[in-house]
Amino acid sequence: EVELVESGGGLVQPGGSLRLSCAASGFTFDTFYMSWVRQAPGKGLEWVANINQDGSEKSYVDAVKGRFTISRDNAKNSLFMQLNSLRAEDTAVYYCARPRAPRVADPYDCWGQGTLVTVSS
Amino acid sequence: QSALTQPRSVSGSPGQSVTISCTGTSSDVGRYNYVSWYQQHPGKAPKLIIYAVNNRPSGVPDRFSGSKSGNTASLTISGLQAEDEADYYCCSYAGSYTMIFGGGTKLTV
Repeated sequence: EVELVESGGGLVQPGGSLRLSCAASGFTFDTFYMSWVRQAPGKGLEWVANINQDGSEKSYVDAVKGRFTISRDNAKNSLFMQLNSLRAEDTAVYYCARPRAPRVADPYDCWGQGTLVTVSS
Repeated sequence: QSALTQPRSVSGSPGQSVTISCTGTSSDVGRYNYVSWYQQHPGKAPKLIIYAVNNRPSGVPDRFSGSKSGNTASLTISGLQAEDEADYYCCSYAGSYTMIFGGGTKLTV
């Protein structure tokens, strides 16, 4: 069974940092692009970042460029995102998501349960 | 990178049909056939219900269908059922390895 399990969320002060993790199982992790998608409380979904299969290609939404860094460890079937210089508007549930096919443009057919990041003083 | 435009809410009675629109630009919806739709119930992760404009993953009822014309994609749900009440999001590939979601539509049955 395909499974994604996020961890690492929590309460952090503005300007602080967090590292999110996503443990993948049930599929050949290193053959898929992976993504982070977030959802602010009561708001819609927002794509945040993509990383290709070997980690050499990364893309970000403009709102997080220069502050967030996506990475992966294929040996550990894990996806990460380092969140720096956090702002109140980064408060959201962060989902790890896998596309249905190993293509960057393919939609996400597998999602984790999400991890909540709260940025507040 | 502005969100795709969806109506905030739609409603329908059981058995009726509803259509949710998703308007983008010639750089995303209009350019690529990588438009997808997600259903999200409160407190749950999104669920893929339509991909590549008009394809359904296995297990998704054929009451759900998608289409696209120009810069606007649409999701139609026919034979509405109570369990269809949820939030619906469109999503499109936007080039340069980026994706963009719609603002979401709340469906009330």
